Amino acid sequence: DAGVTQSPTHLIKTRGQHVTLRCSPISGHKSVSWYQQVLGQGPQFIFQYYEKEERGRGNFPDRFSARQFPNYSSELNVNALLLGDSALYLCASSLTGLNTEAFFGQGTRLTVV
Amino acid sequence: QQQVKQSPQSLIVQKGGISIINCAYENTAFDYFPWYQQFPGKGPALLIAIRPDVSEKKEGRFTISFNKSAKQFSLHIMDSQPGDSATYFCAAQNSGGSNYKLTFGKGTLLTVNP
Repeated sequence: DAGVTQSPTHLIKTRGQHVTLRCSPISGHKSVSWYQQVLGQGPQFIFQYYEKEERGRGNFPDRFSARQFPNYSSELNVNALLLGDSALYLCASSLTGLNTEAFFGQGTRLTVV
Repeated sequence: QQQVKQSPQSLIVQKGGISIINCAYENTAFDYFPWYQQFPGKGPALLIAIRPDVSEKKEGRFTISFNKSAKQFSLHIMDSQPGDSATYFCAAQNSGGSNYKLTFGKGTLLTVNP
């Protein structure tokens, strides 16, 4: 079985640009969460979606948005990129997001120059 | 406010030794405590997890000890191997909250020398 897949694996963007990151959860999993991991730190929660509804939002500015599609895949969008947005963006999938194990993808390494 | 404090920041252990990583939490509503292992360039991989109704859980060489009254939990890696060299993160979740986010510690870089 395929695990959580994220695309692209690496991305370089210029300040002010927009970026879209994609995630496909494990088959059968209906919940997707997004995390930002800055070098040397633990992942920080950005969003969680379950059955296409936003269930939770972390302490991130409105430049960050996400959505989940009927096939449970998800997109994370970041507008007006700042240098500080450079990080590893992780997608985690779980059956329901509640009291179930979360499995992470390999992440998308975003570099803003 | 850092809700999950992890220590040490880095740890060097000889092959065959015991690696111990500690975490402390503040939110008494946390009721799920997983540990993740992360290799460079990879996403975190779930290693072992515990819920507060038990004080210890063992899976192979990995053991979680949980102290509810002290609001602390720890990961013990027995017979540490060079292949265990990675960054380890503890995390906590409140399943009764408005969202089900995992709150992570800052990580421990473990190096196991051959």
